[in-house]
Amino acid sequence: DQQVKQNSPSLSVQEGRISILNCDYTNSMFDYFLWYKKYPAEGPTFLISISSIKDKNEDGRFTVFLNKSAKHLSLHIVPSQPGDSAVYFCAASALAGSGKLIFGQGTTLQVKP
Amino acid sequence: NAGVTQTPKFQVLKTGQSMTLQCAQDMNHEYMSWYRQDPGMGLRLIHYSVGAGITDQGEVPNGYNVSRSTTEDFPLRLLSAAPSQTSVYFCASLGGSGGTQYFGPGTRLLVL
Repeated sequence: DQQVKQNSPSLSVQEGRISILNCDYTNSMFDYFLWYKKYPAEGPTFLISISSIKDKNEDGRFTVFLNKSAKHLSLHIVPSQPGDSAVYFCAASALAGSGKLIFGQGTTLQVKP
Repeated sequence: NAGVTQTPKFQVLKTGQSMTLQCAQDMNHEYMSWYRQDPGMGLRLIHYSVGAGITDQGEVPNGYNVSRSTTEDFPLRLLSAAPSQTSVYFCASLGGSGGTQYFGPGTRLLVL
């Protein structure tokens, strides 16, 4: 049973446009959510996180939105750049700072010049 | 500061062979963990450790053993490799003010 789902395996956008990556979860005990970015042959790197007490967190070009009632979060990248092309994983945990993360399947983002 | 390092980068095993995947971190993090990544499955937690001498199971622990004798090292052992263990393995340590996980570069394992 997949507790964290990323239903879009891939996404292609034009450079300069907005990229929106989506993630759904089923476990209402999750209260901390993270996005990781992964390039080929490298480990995932932390991108941005959000606590369940917030509905938005922003860091430069990256914004994460959380809709607790819908159990849905999204990552917005504006403007998208070719260097953003990577696999993006959303992850959730029941406690901020917990290492026990449940990951989604990942979405491959391609940003075309 | 090397962060999280993993060896080897790539390994081929025959069914039934044993091996140890090495993981080390130099950030003095207490929490370390092992994940495996399979196509279409994301990353799944195998085992984790909250400090030297303390380990616990994650989502998919079967077929793997761990121990934590020092803060720096957290090896993952496959006692009798099976084709189902073909995967990419990532080690991670947890630290920083926000509790961020830092991942190693991964070990790609192929079991024939």
